[in-house]
Amino acid sequence: RKEVEQDPGPFNVPEGATVAFNCTYSNSASQSFFWYRQDCRKEPKLLMSVYSSGNEDGRFTAQLNRASQYISLLIRDSKLSDSATYLCVVRGWGAGSYQLTFGKGTKLSVIP
Amino acid sequence: NAGVTQTPKFQVLKTGQSMTLQCAQDMNHNSMYWYRQDPGMGLRLIYYSASEGTTDKGEVPNGYNVSRLNKREFSLRLESAAPSQTSVYFCASSPTSGGTDTQYFGPGTRLTVL
Repeated sequence: RKEVEQDPGPFNVPEGATVAFNCTYSNSASQSFFWYRQDCRKEPKLLMSVYSSGNEDGRFTAQLNRASQYISLLIRDSKLSDSATYLCVVRGWGAGSYQLTFGKGTKLSVIP
Repeated sequence: NAGVTQTPKFQVLKTGQSMTLQCAQDMNHNSMYWYRQDPGMGLRLIYYSASEGTTDKGEVPNGYNVSRLNKREFSLRLESAAPSQTSVYFCASSPTSGGTDTQYFGPGTRLTVL
């Protein structure tokens, strides 16, 4: 089983739509969770950390379900500028707690 | 602040050539990392340095060496490049190597090995 799995997409949505991405991770001892955004041919940048209680940053809401080992990202009122690849990232466990494990990403295209 | 800088931005090598990728950060971070990103793959950790003076292997260290020159700089060396090392290489840094610390990435080096 892959450590961090995401639907690669692409998700093609119209402006103003709500879109949700899901991610599953394999190790129940994982400690920290993040969503990164990567624009085409650019470096990844942190979008938001994901907390156990769920958290919101403007139009973006992240949820964590430790029992199901599942992370989600909800984007409301999609903008053209949201077009990017969204990476689900999990921090390692135990001796590997230094290491971030990246999913392959979910590509989002917001269409006018 | 420049954040994390990498040189060069692009490089083409022939099989067997060597080169060093340079990375520097001006955020006074303790930890630095080298990743590679290949099409259809997630970013994979090559080496990391939790603090100045220490380096450790990541997921895919074979064919690479690193040097943590000082707190600011962390270089990646390919001693004898192979076509399988064609990739985009990202350097990153973070305040520490654990917890919820964010990793900040440089703009990447696009390497092609012929």
